[in-house]
Amino acid sequence: DGGITQSPKYLFRKEGQNVTLSCEQNLNHDAMYWYRQDPGQGLRLIYYSQIVNDFQKGDIAEGYSVSREKKESFPLTVTSAQKNPTAFYLCASSGSGRVLGQYFGPGTRLTVT
Amino acid sequence: AQSVTQPDIHITVSEGASLELRCNYSYGATPYLFWYVQSPGQGLQLLLKYFSGDTLVQGIKGFEAEFKRSQSSFNLRKPSVHWSDAAEYFCAVGILRDDKIIFGKGTRLHILP
Repeated sequence: DGGITQSPKYLFRKEGQNVTLSCEQNLNHDAMYWYRQDPGQGLRLIYYSQIVNDFQKGDIAEGYSVSREKKESFPLTVTSAQKNPTAFYLCASSGSGRVLGQYFGPGTRLTVT
Repeated sequence: AQSVTQPDIHITVSEGASLELRCNYSYGATPYLFWYVQSPGQGLQLLLKYFSGDTLVQGIKGFEAEFKRSQSSFNLRKPSVHWSDAAEYFCAVGILRDDKIIFGKGTRLHILP
């Protein structure tokens, strides 16, 4: 089955540690996205990548980093510089631009204490 | 600036009753419009989308939405809700020229037995 997988489902880290969230897709999509979701805030774009080895900052990129070495994979690192990292993180992909169709993964809930 | 407003943070309806979730947008041209649903701890699933043409759009799970340009609205409706419809619903506006999507903050739907 084609789709997007995110792992792990739940992640716990101590403050000051970097943590990497995995996102893999087998939809053969060129573009991939990372969103952050907080209660009552909707979705906010962190980073996106439209092609391998290229990515752009979204609306809230500070404290995050990404890489896109393979078409299928778009890992997100939450660094110690992110002041409030506890949130639900969603990965998405699209084959022809976000506006024309975007598929979401199941999400990773990160808790930093 | 473009924006999406979902005026109701929470809505409670009885099982079998009709449902209407409100969505208003601010954008100078005709936008691309979406409704997504999110079950607790899950990713987003696309219910329906409007790009052009017939202003009444049919989606999955028995949902429909109507685009009203004069009111800048795209309200989601269902004639008879089921307990499984309890979830959070997000309206979104797509700006094609920027390949940008703006999400509303969501409406959480509660179903009374």
